[in-house]
Amino acid sequence: TQLLEQSPQFLSIQEGENLTVYCNSSSVFSSLQWYRQEPGEGPVLLVTVVTGGEVKKLKRLTFQFGDARKDSSLHITAAQPGDTGLYLCAGPSGGSYIPTFGRGTSLIVHP
Amino acid sequence: NAGVTQTPKFQVLKTGQSMTLQCAQDMNHEYMSWYRQDPGMGLRLIHYSVGAGITDQGEVPNGYNVSRSTTEDFPLRLLSAAPSQTSVYFCASSYSGGAGNTIYFGEGSWLTVV
Repeated sequence: TQLLEQSPQFLSIQEGENLTVYCNSSSVFSSLQWYRQEPGEGPVLLVTVVTGGEVKKLKRLTFQFGDARKDSSLHITAAQPGDTGLYLCAGPSGGSYIPTFGRGTSLIVHP
Repeated sequence: NAGVTQTPKFQVLKTGQSMTLQCAQDMNHEYMSWYRQDPGMGLRLIHYSVGAGITDQGEVPNGYNVSRSTTEDFPLRLLSAAPSQTSVYFCASSYSGGAGNTIYFGEGSWLTVV
């Protein structure tokens, strides 16, 4: 099983602050995905990165895939209360694309 | 669009009882899977299916059974419920494997075993 380790586990910040969360592995992944999960709901896909060194932006969210395709980061600029949620990274495990998930980073943004 | 639909939303079981969590998707997806989510543990794969008639075990399959008789449905059966199976269960589906494939989740089923 290819493990994905996420850090930090918890993050509590004020509105307007910047933050970065990390997803690391000792294994190479062909792709990594980031999901956000709000309380009481299922995870929703934010982005997929497939190329080493790739950077993708989604409004105030910037996603980066490491050059060696073993790690990824999510940077949020000027966080807002609506960004509150659990951020999960996921990557394919085994021959079929049935992803394995990291344990997630729980983010709370206070107004 | 309905997407992935799970029922029931909430369920309380007594130890030893059996039950089935239902999952249906209307997107004609080949891949379906069941995860459980526990505090601090992320999503752990229970069972998955890559097409009708094909199922396989994930990371935590013990105590659960699945079948896939149609493309649309992928029920999860708890054979003899135990308190350790208290969790939130998510069903998910995707069109196929491969990089860039979007996975769609249901809204979750909250199960308590007393």
